[in-house]
Amino acid sequence: KNQVEQSPQSLIILEGKNCTLQCNYTVSPFSNLRWYKQDTGRGPVSLTIMTFSENTKSNGRYTATLDADTKQSSLHITASQLSDSASYICVVSAWDMYSGGGADGLTFGKGTHLIIQP
Amino acid sequence: GAGVSQSPSNKVTEKGKDVELRCDPISGHTALYWYRQSLGQGLEFLIYFQGNSAPDKSGLPSDRFSAERTGGSVSTLTIQRTQQEDSAVYLCASSSMGGAKNIQYFGAGTRLSVL
Repeated sequence: KNQVEQSPQSLIILEGKNCTLQCNYTVSPFSNLRWYKQDTGRGPVSLTIMTFSENTKSNGRYTATLDADTKQSSLHITASQLSDSASYICVVSAWDMYSGGGADGLTFGKGTHLIIQP
Repeated sequence: GAGVSQSPSNKVTEKGKDVELRCDPISGHTALYWYRQSLGQGLEFLIYFQGNSAPDKSGLPSDRFSAERTGGSVSTLTIQRTQQEDSAVYLCASSSMGGAKNIQYFGAGTRLSVL
């Protein structure tokens, strides 16, 4: 069964500090891994998307890494800001050869709830 | 439109009533997805549209749930005879086409509360 596990479940850090969120997955066959940020009361917004051949990708102060051998990914946030307070969701896509990937075969983690304190 | 629009943003209904949730995808996006997000849970896939057809309905939890899409644009998710366990945020997303690498853009969701 395809699964995505995220840790920690929640995290509180002080403004300006760095943090790293973890994502472990058992999705096969692997197509890509995405990190989304979901502000309270809003829909998720894509931060990064990485395929098998990519092991790091940055989006401003967000840097995602991917180790396809160990099936692990991390999202590192540098110099956190109050606006980073949100849930961060790891999503892994399985390649569906029969539908041409149409349904994306997405498996969502439950997210890490991050709180940045002033 | 500029983004994915969902309406209503909040819906409170009584158990046993039918509800209809609407999604307006980004103009030109051919793929449309419905998800359900319950408190403390990850997103649960419900149904996927490519154009007006739904090649994947595997996530619909029961026959009380149905969805349609017309004109390759607006989609409605209908829940008949609502139950308390249907209470959740229903999110709609669209992408320029189906496929494993296409980014999905999400609406803000409809928060459904069944009393």
